[in-house]
Amino acid sequence: DTEVTQTPKHLVMGMTNKKSLKCEQHMGHRAMYWYKQKAKKPPELMFVYSYEKLSINESVPSRFSPECPNSSLLNLHLHALQPEDSALYLCASSPLKQGKTEAFFGQGTRLTVV
Amino acid sequence: RKEVEQDPGPFNVPEGATVAFNCTYSNSASQSFFWYRQDCRKEPKLLMSVYSSGNEDGRFTAQLNRASQYISLLIRDSKLSDSATYLCVVNREEYGNKLVFGAGTILRVKS
Repeated sequence: DTEVTQTPKHLVMGMTNKKSLKCEQHMGHRAMYWYKQKAKKPPELMFVYSYEKLSINESVPSRFSPECPNSSLLNLHLHALQPEDSALYLCASSPLKQGKTEAFFGQGTRLTVV
Repeated sequence: RKEVEQDPGPFNVPEGATVAFNCTYSNSASQSFFWYRQDCRKEPKLLMSVYSSGNEDGRFTAQLNRASQYISLLIRDSKLSDSATYLCVVNREEYGNKLVFGAGTILRVKS
């Protein structure tokens, strides 16, 4: 089972709204990631949590706020976004066991900021 | 220079053809490497992991050349369903498992 579940699948929000994206995995993976992907571009790393601690923040604007409540859950809190933040937001997880570092992706949340 | 570079393509090949993609990476400290495929408006899916010199899975073969810092992906007997974007990914473990994506190579298999 290599399932990473993201909700919602689609989200439309205004620039003054606050919303959250959710990600869940039950594979016992110890690293979780948020990526942002624009059309015809590769995924860009935003945040990495390793063993529930934030290990990488790729200089992401503070209007994006990650949270890792436990080893299975990852949230991305959104506030005061701009239209250019519209993109596919992908969550992924990696085992980090026995040297296995490959990432498994969820289906993504397609975000539109209006 | 980008950290991970790929030929963007597109590669247009007939069914049954053999096609090879190359990917170069700039940091010699990189430890692990992956090939993902991504279909239009879908998430990337892991195709192959490369931890040592290479890996083979059916029609797909990945090779790693650490001295020259490149990874290749060979697809034999191409199928229409192989049409996708192929993403080369390098793991920078010294930065806490930072997976760096290449820009992707587009493959179109035609009948």
